[in-house]
Amino acid sequence: AQSVTQLGSHVSVSEGALVLLRCNYSSSVPPYLFWYVQYPNQGLQLLLKYTSAATLVKGINGFEAEFKKSETSFHLTKPSAHMSDAAEYFCAVSDLGGTYKYIFGTGTRLKVLA
Amino acid sequence: DGGITQSPKYLFRKEGQNVTLSCEQNLNHDAMYWYRQDPGQGLRLIYYSQIVNDFQKGDIAEGYSVSREKKESFPLTVTSAQKNPTAFYLCASSAWGETQYFGPGTRLLVL
Repeated sequence: AQSVTQLGSHVSVSEGALVLLRCNYSSSVPPYLFWYVQYPNQGLQLLLKYTSAATLVKGINGFEAEFKKSETSFHLTKPSAHMSDAAEYFCAVSDLGGTYKYIFGTGTRLKVLA
Repeated sequence: DGGITQSPKYLFRKEGQNVTLSCEQNLNHDAMYWYRQDPGQGLRLIYYSQIVNDFQKGDIAEGYSVSREKKESFPLTVTSAQKNPTAFYLCASSAWGETQYFGPGTRLLVL
């Protein structure tokens, strides 16, 4: 069965510092992978997605993620954190077995320190 | 303006009461989904529908029911059998096999 693990339920960075949010997946076939962002009391907004094209995926708001098959990882990065990046981030993998259901990680809450 | 709407934003349920959460989309998507979000647990799939008049149970369907009579609408009923309904409920839709897009959510609280 597919699964997603997000290491670190809370991450704090200083404004201007590198953001690194970790996501590892397990899948028997090359998956589709997603990062979503959620601001308090709002729905999820798509940041970026990997669908077996380029392994380095660029998303909105300066975020990017790299698909590494050998490490079964899809970590999210941003070179310089901004206060507005404070939110909860979810990694998800899509079941390509016919249902296209998503399996979500438990989320990482990012805090940006002034 | 295309998107997904959920109503109400906040909903209060009394003991033994059934309540219905609304989800509407004008994106012409075939597939629609309901998720439950609890702190520290991520999103868990309640029900999903791939096409009108058809739906399947997700991972935590007990105590919930849905209908899909129209392509645009996928209401979720939280029944009295759901003993711990307090949560944030998110609806999503997608073209089949494509990216899921989410509504703004409904927070359900128990009185």
